[in-house]
Amino acid sequence: AQSVSQHNHHVILSEAASLELGCNYSYGGTVNLFWYVQYPGQHLQLLLKYFSGDPLVKGIKGFEAEFIKSKFSFNLRKPSVQWSDTAEYFCAVKGNTDKLIFGTGTRLQVFP
Amino acid sequence: DAGVIQSPRHEVTEMGQEVTLRCKPISGHNSLFWYRQTMMRGLELLIYFNNNVPIDDSGMPEDRFSAKMPNASFSTLKIQPSEPRDSAVYFCASRPTGDRYEQYFGPGTRLTVT
Repeated sequence: AQSVSQHNHHVILSEAASLELGCNYSYGGTVNLFWYVQYPGQHLQLLLKYFSGDPLVKGIKGFEAEFIKSKFSFNLRKPSVQWSDTAEYFCAVKGNTDKLIFGTGTRLQVFP
Repeated sequence: DAGVIQSPRHEVTEMGQEVTLRCKPISGHNSLFWYRQTMMRGLELLIYFNNNVPIDDSGMPEDRFSAKMPNASFSTLKIQPSEPRDSAVYFCASRPTGDRYEQYFGPGTRLTVT
């Protein structure tokens, strides 16, 4: 069965610090990978997605993620966070069905 | 495009009452998904439809939950009877058919069962 692990449950950073959120998945076949963000009180919005090709994917708001197939990982990065990045971040994987399997989420708090 | 529309945005009801949540997917999207989000269990897929047909309802917690999609532009999630443990935010999402598309989420319905 597919599963997604997000090891960082709660991350606290100061503005301008660099961010890396871990995401590992378990699935042996071809995968599509996603990062979604949920700002306080809002719905999930897509940050970035990987289907194929260049394993380094750039998304909105300066976020990027790297797909490392050998490590079954899709970590999210941002070189310099802002207070407005305070949100919950979800990694998700899609295998050979239409279902998205979500990780448990990482809550990011950025202090000015 | 108006995005995925859900109603109501907030629902407060008493235990034992019937609750109906509604979703209008983005026009042209053939797949529709219902999720539940709680602090304890995170984001759980309840059921999803392709072309109005339920494909996988293995996430529906029990018989008190039912979902329908009578046409391509409307779906309902019903809980009867409701219980306090059903309190959660329920999200609807839709996507076009095909592999290279993400899901688009609605604003959610916050359900409180007292």
